[in-house]
This record gives sequence, C-alpha cells and structure tokens, in this order.
Amino acid sequence: GQNIDQPTEMTATEGAIVQINCTYQTSGFNGLFWYQQHAGEAPTFLSYNVLDGLEEKGRFSSFLSRSKGYSYLLLKELQMKDSASYLCAVRDGITGGGNKLTFGTGTQLKVEL
Amino acid sequence: NAGVTQTPKFRILKIGQSMTLQCAQDMNHNYMYWYRQDPGMGLKLIYYSVGAGITDKGEVPNGYNVSRSTTEDFPLRLELAAPSQTSVYFCASRTNDRNYGYTFGSGTRLTVV
Repeated sequence: GQNIDQPTEMTATEGAIVQINCTYQTSGFNGLFWYQQHAGEAPTFLSYNVLDGLEEKGRFSSFLSRSKGYSYLLLKELQMKDSASYLCAVRDGITGGGNKLTFGTGTQLKVEL
Repeated sequence: NAGVTQTPKFRILKIGQSMTLQCAQDMNHNYMYWYRQDPGMGLKLIYYSVGAGITDKGEVPNGYNVSRSTTEDFPLRLELAAPSQTSVYFCASRTNDRNYGYTFGSGTRLTVV
C-alpha cells in the first residue's frame, strides 16, 4: 500500500517563498504529482517528478528524492491567489494496475498580507 | 473541448435511494477514475477503468458500481444510499502519456439524509 504524509496547514506572507514537504512509503513507485485545489473546486495538476531532482515551472518547483521517499513543492513570490490546498500524490508502479494515484490529505496554505 | 464533465453538481438523497453520477470526457482518454473526498481527508479511489469494457475496484468500492460501455462515459452508481456516502465525488481521466496528470471534473457534492 501507500502511506503519504504532508503537513496539515501552513501560513506564509505575500511575496515570500514557501516549501511544502511530502514523505511517502510505498510498495511501488512510478512518479509523484502535486496538485492545487482551491476551496470548492477540483484539483488541478501542478507538477510531476519521476526521477530525482528539481523540476521548475515558473513560480512553482518540485523536488524528488526517491531514496529518501521525499518530495517538496516550492512556491516563490507568493500571491494571495496561491491560498489553496496542495495535494501530494504517488502513482503506483504495478503493471496493469491502471497507474492509480494515491493522494495525501493535503496541505492548506494560507497566504497573508 | 469540454474536458471532463460531471452531472449533477449537487444532489440530496434520502437513505436507501439510488442514483447515478454521470461523468463524460471528450479527450479520448482511455484511463478514467472515480474518487471521493471527505473533509480533511485525501481523495480516495472508488473505481477505475483502463478502457471501454474494463473496470476495477479501488480502495473504497463498497456501495458503488460502475460501467464503461464507451470510451467517453464512466457513470458511478450508488445503490441504497447511506449517510456514510455523503461526500464530494470527483471523476478524472488521463491520457496514455504517463507524464501528465489527471484532468478532474468539477465534482458532485452529494448529501445523504
């Protein structure tokens, strides 16, 4: 099975940088995803890592260390609209398993002035 | 190009009633998924499908059924609704390219009273 841990809540200041951590323990691994979910809305895809290292996409970057079962999402130049829940999800590596994602419970980020 | 369309957006059911949550995608995706999301909890996989005619159980399938007669449609059936099925239900689909994440529908908020 999969076990995914991420902090429940974080607060940061507009314009600052915030790092949201995710640790996982899995029986199989085939990639890690980050999603953003605003209240009352559907999750939207942010980033994907399958190899170790940093992936950068504008103000958002995501890092993966497979040996440590660890990832983080880095948000730079925070804006008020970044207030949302950030979901870490691990894709299973089971052949024929449908490439299912297992989601963490999400980190609620609040950006303050 | 509508993406993933879910209907209805909201529904109130009485205990013991049945209903079908509709999900349709127009992106010709083979992979489709149904998740439920309870407050403070991560998304839990109910059922998934890797193509027309093929479905399989996820983590929390009890009380639900699915069918996949076409590539486009993946309805979720609730028989004998129970209060424990009060949740927000998300349908998602994915391209065959595993570098991309899921595309989610806007969700169905279901209350069983």
